[in-house]
Amino acid sequence: GNSVTQMEGPVTLSEEAFLTINCTYTATGYPSLFWYVQYPGEGLQLLLKATKADDKGSNKGFEATYRKETTSFHLEKGSVQVSDSAVYFCALSGRSNSGYALNFGKGTSLLVTP
Amino acid sequence: DVKVTQSSRYLVKRTGEKVFLECVQDMDHENMFWYRQDPGLGLRLIYFSYDVKMKEKGDIPEGYSVSREKKERFSLILESASTNQTSMYLCASMGFNEKLFFGSGTQLSVL
Repeated sequence: GNSVTQMEGPVTLSEEAFLTINCTYTATGYPSLFWYVQYPGEGLQLLLKATKADDKGSNKGFEATYRKETTSFHLEKGSVQVSDSAVYFCALSGRSNSGYALNFGKGTSLLVTP
Repeated sequence: DVKVTQSSRYLVKRTGEKVFLECVQDMDHENMFWYRQDPGLGLRLIYFSYDVKMKEKGDIPEGYSVSREKKERFSLILESASTNQTSMYLCASMGFNEKLFFGSGTQLSVL
């Protein structure tokens, strides 16, 4: 079945450091890939997505490229801010006979210190 | 903006009680989902529904059931609550572009 594996956290970085959060997936077919973010005390919200191989999703300075050859969708940001402290979830969509469902990774907690 | 509303932010129930978690969305989405979120386990899919009166099991449906009598409302039912069902429950609906919109969550404690 479909699954997502994320690097374990917590990840602690200083402000302006470079961020990479690794995500690899296993899937049948051609899923769409997503990064969701959960800020403290809030619900999850979509950060970015990519729908096919070599697509790059980007938002708020974050980027991720859909790599079919390595089945990866790593999240990157060139210079993190304190306000980026949150939990980040990688996810993929899978189509069953009935419709779509998203499978999420376990989440990676990021703490950015001043 | 899409609004997904979960009826309770915090809920405390006793073992063996029947528990209803309600979720309402206001964007006429067909697909709706229930997840539970646990530390170290991330989000796990319990059930989802792709249309009124239709439902499909997710990865961990045991001990749960769902109801979708109207398009905007998707209810999660714990038939007989147990302590291992203490968790954060998240409802979501999906727009046409696969984007999920989440509610704020219900933190359920079963004593």
